[in-house]
Amino acid sequence: AQKVTQAQTEISVVEKEDVTLDCVYETRDTTYYLFWYKQPPSGELVFLIRRNSFDEQNEISGRYSWNFQKSTSSFNFTITASQVVDSAVYFCALSEIKNTGGFKTIFGAGTRLFVKA
Amino acid sequence: DSGVTQTPKHLITATGQRVTLRCSPRSGDLSVYWYQQSLDQGLQFLIQYYNGEERAKGNILERFSAQQFPDLHSELNLSSLELGDSALYFCASSVGASGRDTQYFGPGTRLTVL
Repeated sequence: AQKVTQAQTEISVVEKEDVTLDCVYETRDTTYYLFWYKQPPSGELVFLIRRNSFDEQNEISGRYSWNFQKSTSSFNFTITASQVVDSAVYFCALSEIKNTGGFKTIFGAGTRLFVKA
Repeated sequence: DSGVTQTPKHLITATGQRVTLRCSPRSGDLSVYWYQQSLDQGLQFLIQYYNGEERAKGNILERFSAQQFPDLHSELNLSSLELGDSALYFCASSVGASGRDTQYFGPGTRLTVL
């Protein structure tokens, strides 16, 4: 069965520190998509990145970077030089493609990041 | 602002009651998804509709039902409510039905069952 594990429940860092959020997934599908979402204290879910199973290129977007490794079924997220505004819950998610033409998204339990000034 | 709207923002009701949550997708999006976020279960996928048709089903209880109307808005109906149904219910939308499409989430409806 598909599963997403975010082993870190909470992480606390001081501003300007780098922090890596871990995500390990399980799937039998050869085609799948991985996502990261941010949920700030205001509660909305904000899309950060999507990666398909055939694209193992790492990606950098400003202070954010993602490391996708199929060999270890991991899709880790690093924030460089963290800021207080990065404080949020971060979710890793996996899309499982259904034969009905739709898909089901499975979320990890989330990692709560506290960035202290 | 994601462009996805959900009403109401908050809903307080009693056990045994029935409620309807409403979602309007972003302009141009044909897929609508419903999720439940609770402290004990986390974020769970409930159901997906694409252009009026059900496309995928997750851990949706039989007491819950959803539909997507011709104007593409969607409603999630929750009946015979129990205390454990108290949660934040999110709607999301995307252009297509495939897993590669980015889902944009609405602000959520917080349901409290007393």
